[in-house]
Amino acid sequence: GQNIDQPTEMTATEGAIVQINCTYQTSGFNGLFWYQQHAGEAPTFLSYNVLDGLEEKGRFSSFLSRSKGYSYLLLKELQMKDSASYLCAVLSSNDYKLSFGAGTTVTVRA
Amino acid sequence: ETGVTQTPRHLVMGMTNKKSLKCEQHLGHNAMYWYKQSAKKPLELMFVYSLEERVENNSVPSRFSPECPNSSHLFLHLHTLQPEDSALYLCASSQDRFSRTGSPLHFGNGTRLTVT
Repeated sequence: GQNIDQPTEMTATEGAIVQINCTYQTSGFNGLFWYQQHAGEAPTFLSYNVLDGLEEKGRFSSFLSRSKGYSYLLLKELQMKDSASYLCAVLSSNDYKLSFGAGTTVTVRA
Repeated sequence: ETGVTQTPRHLVMGMTNKKSLKCEQHLGHNAMYWYKQSAKKPLELMFVYSLEERVENNSVPSRFSPECPNSSHLFLHLHTLQPEDSALYLCASSQDRFSRTGSPLHFGNGTRLTVT
């Protein structure tokens, strides 16, 4: 099975930076996903990391350390539209199951 | 038009009713999924279909019955549900079933189900 932990809520100011951490325990690892979900809408794919290191996509970056079972999603130059829930999900290499964390609700304030 | 479409968006049903949720994907994907999302809890995988064949059933009660008539359509038939089944039901698709390359899921907007 998999244990995935991420903070429940975070608040930040418009223009600032927020880092959402995700720790996981899994019997076999085949990658980690981040999804964004606005209230009442579908989760949308943000990033996929399978190798250690930082992947940058515009204002969003995702980092992975497989040895530490740790990832973070970094949101820079925050905008009001970034207020959403951010879901961390881990793909197991044993049974190819994708397990999700409970999500982190980010609130961006003016 | 969005890639994955779910209907209805909202559904209220009594415990003795029978209803169905519908999902359609326009992405040419081979795998489709049903997830349950309850407040403050992780997404729970319910069913996985790959090339129209059910490949996974995560100990879901028999009052939930999936159907996949073709690779573009997925249904979830509901009967004699319980109030604790109230949740957001999300449909998703991906190019291949959770593969080594980690093809991402594309989700629909979900059906908000309330069982009274």
